[in-house]
Amino acid sequence: AQTVTQSQPEMSVQEAETVTLSCTYDTSESNYYLFWYKQPPSRQMILVIRQEAYKQQNATENRFSVNFQKAAKSFSLKISDSQLGDTAMYFCAFVRITQGGSEKLVFGKGTKLTVNP
Amino acid sequence: NAGVTQTPKFQVLKTGQSMTLQCAQDMNHEYMSWYRQDPGMGLRLIHYSVGAGITDQGEVPNGYNVSRSTTEDFPLRLLSAAPSQTSVYFCASSYWGDTQYFGPGTRLTVL
Repeated sequence: AQTVTQSQPEMSVQEAETVTLSCTYDTSESNYYLFWYKQPPSRQMILVIRQEAYKQQNATENRFSVNFQKAAKSFSLKISDSQLGDTAMYFCAFVRITQGGSEKLVFGKGTKLTVNP
Repeated sequence: NAGVTQTPKFQVLKTGQSMTLQCAQDMNHEYMSWYRQDPGMGLRLIHYSVGAGITDQGEVPNGYNVSRSTTEDFPLRLLSAAPSQTSVYFCASSYWGDTQYFGPGTRLTVL
């Protein structure tokens, strides 16, 4: 079974600084996707970034980028120029890609990020 | 597109009552799923569906029932509510092998 581990329950960062959230996963699959979702106080789950396992290039979305280390099974999220609106819970998630079977999204337990003014 | 919609937003039940949480999507996604979110536990999969007429259990299916009669709708039924089912429930949908998109959630309290 796949597992996703986020080792930092809480983190804080000063506005405009850079912060990195850690995520490791365990799988024997070769074809999968990894995600970071953001959950602000509104509770809405918002996709931040996605990485396909077959792609060597790290995904980026504006101020958000990942460091995907497939051999180490590590998938960290870097937030540059942190903004107050980045304050939220961040969840790392894994889904295996199959051709005929199920597709189950497995979540880590989350990291609560607070951006301080 | 409305995306993924969920009703109600909030619900309070008494132990033993039954109810249905509604979920609908207008993106023609094949895959739909239900999660519950509890403090310190992240999101856990309850049930999922890969298409109309096909459902399967997730990690925590006990006490819940689902059906998928149409592509658009995927209701979650609580058969006999228990305090342990107090949680926030999320519905999600996606195309096969693609990013899952979430509804706004339903906060359920069982007294």
